[in-house]
Formats: sequence, C-alpha cells, structure tokens
Amino acid sequence: DIVMTQSPLSLSVTPGEPASISCRSSQSLLHGNGNNYLDWYLQKPGQSPQLLIFLASNRASGVPDRFSGSGSGTDFTLKISRVEADDVGVYYCMQGLQTPLIFGGGTRVEIK
Amino acid sequence: EEQLVESGGGLLQPGGSVRLSCTASGFTSNNHFIHWVRQAPGKGLEWVARINPGGTHTVYADSVKGRITISRDGAKNAVILQINSLRADDTAMYFCARVGTGTQHFYYGMDVWGRGTTVTVSS
Repeated sequence: DIVMTQSPLSLSVTPGEPASISCRSSQSLLHGNGNNYLDWYLQKPGQSPQLLIFLASNRASGVPDRFSGSGSGTDFTLKISRVEADDVGVYYCMQGLQTPLIFGGGTRVEIK
Repeated sequence: EEQLVESGGGLLQPGGSVRLSCTASGFTSNNHFIHWVRQAPGKGLEWVARINPGGTHTVYADSVKGRITISRDGAKNAVILQINSLRADDTAMYFCARVGTGTQHFYYGMDVWGRGTTVTVSS
C-alpha cells in the first residue's frame, strides 16, 4: 500500500499570513495519463471533509483562489496565500491513484 | 442541491451487523463512483470501500474485507454498506462521498460528502 506522510502535524498561523502543508507519498502518484492523483481535503471542526484540490493542482468548485496545490510524483504542497479564520481545521492529502485509497495523517491548522 | 445523507448507524453489539445507507438527492448516484470513508473518534480518515457506476465492481480495504459489502439500491438512489461481525474497532463516523464527473479532467476528487452516521460497537 502507498504510505502518505504529511507535515507538519500542526500549524498556528496569524490571519493574513501564508501557510504551507507538505504531503509525501511512498510511491509516485503520476498516472500514465499525465495526472498526479493527489487530492487535498479540509475537515472543519464538527463537519465532514470537503474537497479543496484534485489532481494535485486543480481547485474544486467554489474553493477560493487563496488555496493552491502543487507538486508531482511523490512530493506535494498545499499553500494558503493568506490564512483566514474560516480556514481552521484538519487538512488531509489523499492518494487516489490506486486502491486502497490512503489519506495522510492530517495537519491541524489553527489561528493565532 | 446535490446531497448525500447517511443513515443506519447506532449502538450495536460486538458480533452483530449493521446496514448503512447513503441516499443521494439532486443527482443520480448510479452515475458516480461512491466511496465509504470512516473516522474513529479523534482519529484521521480511513477509506473503507468503493463501488463503481452501475455497481458491477467493488473494492474493499483489507481491514474490513470479508465483513463488509457495498452495493447499490437504484430504486432508492442509494448506496448500501453492510458490515457484519462488528468489532469494537469498527466504532467510527461513517461518511459516504461521491467522485465528481466532468468533461475536462480524468478525475474530479470526492466532491460531495454526507454528514456521516455514527456506528458504536459496544456491549
């Protein structure tokens, strides 16, 4: 199975400042079709997860452009250009290349 | 509005069974891959099972294989997760999620999630 490793475990950010979360996979997530099958999800407190980014760099519908995803192969990054109070929660990366689908352990983001 | 609503959870005995439903509204669930993902109390997300559009192909996590069946109920626009031989470590919130579709990309991520249904296994 693919192992997904996120860092840091937690992040405390001042509103308006940027934030960055790293996700590494034990195997390349690059499919033969040229896409990296890596998603980012945010689970706000008391809510179900919501999709932020799919195929490593594509923002889901309705996701603010403050969120961006990058990376290829085994190294991926989620960046928030200017953190807002509503961004608090746990961020998960997930590999969608093969089953079993695997989520990273999560990165908790809080506001200073 | 496109929604998924899970139901069927509760307090269950070890060794028992539970049938969870994931009912779609605003779209036809049979046109989408549907996944079940669970989250034990205070823990992260764990993928459990997937069913393809049409319901002809299913895949399960090793942790539940042999005890879980995912299926479709087309008449109810729903996906069912049957869990047998319940164990304490099945205690979790169970979410269903659909994979989005479109014409621009090969894959669209899990773009609609339900609010979840709680399964508690305890004697």
